[in-house]
Amino acid sequence: KQEVTQIPAALSVPEGENLVLNCSFTDSAIYNLQWFRQDPGKGLTSLLLIQSSQREQTSGRLNASLDKSSGRSTLYIAASQPGDSATYLCAVRPTGSQGNLIFGKGTKLSVKP
Amino acid sequence: ETGVTQTPRHLVMGMTNKKSLKCEQHLGHNAMYWYKQSAKKPLELMFVYNFKEQTENNSVPSRFSPECPNSSHLFLHLHTLQPEDSALYLCASSQGDFQKFFGPGTRLTVL
Repeated sequence: KQEVTQIPAALSVPEGENLVLNCSFTDSAIYNLQWFRQDPGKGLTSLLLIQSSQREQTSGRLNASLDKSSGRSTLYIAASQPGDSATYLCAVRPTGSQGNLIFGKGTKLSVKP
Repeated sequence: ETGVTQTPRHLVMGMTNKKSLKCEQHLGHNAMYWYKQSAKKPLELMFVYNFKEQTENNSVPSRFSPECPNSSHLFLHLHTLQPEDSALYLCASSQGDFQKFFGPGTRLTVL
C-alpha cells in the first residue's frame, strides 16, 4: 500500500531564506507526483506536477525534484516571502489507478517578516 | 479562486438531516473527484467520475451518495451522518490523467 510522508510537519523560517520541503513515498510505481499549496480554510492550489519520466520541474521561485527509484521528492523555495506561508502537500498518483492521488499530511510553513 | 466552485462553503447539520454538496467545474474537464480532509489526516479520495460514470468508490459508507448528472456537475448527498464525518470536503476535476484542479471546499460540521 502506497504511503506518503512529509518531513518536517512544520517549519518556521525568516524571510529571504531558501528552504527545502521533503516528501517520500513507499512504492516507486507512480505515474506522477504533484505539489500543492493549501491556505487555511481553503482548497488546494496546484504548484508543480512531475511526470515519472522527469527529474525536475521549475516555476518561478519553486523547483521540485523527483527521484523515483529512491521514493523521494523535494520542493525547493528560493528567497522565501511571508506570502509563501501555507501548508504544502505532496501527492503521488500510483500507476494503474483511476486518477487517484495519495497525499501526505503536509508541511506547514511559516515565513516571518 | 479556481475554475472549480463548491457550494455551500460551510454547512452545519444534525445527524438526522439530509443535505447535498454541490461542485461545478468550468474547465471543460472530463473527470471529477470528491476528497475528504479530516483534521491531522491526509486527504482521502472518496469517489471518481469519468465522463459521468463512477469509476472508483474508495470504500465510502453508504450515508455518502454521489451523483454526477453531467461532466460539469458533481453532487454529494449526505444523510444520517456521524460527528466523525465532520471534515473539509474537496471537489477536484482533471482532463484525464493530467493535473488536478481543486475547489475551495465545503467545511462540514455534524452535530
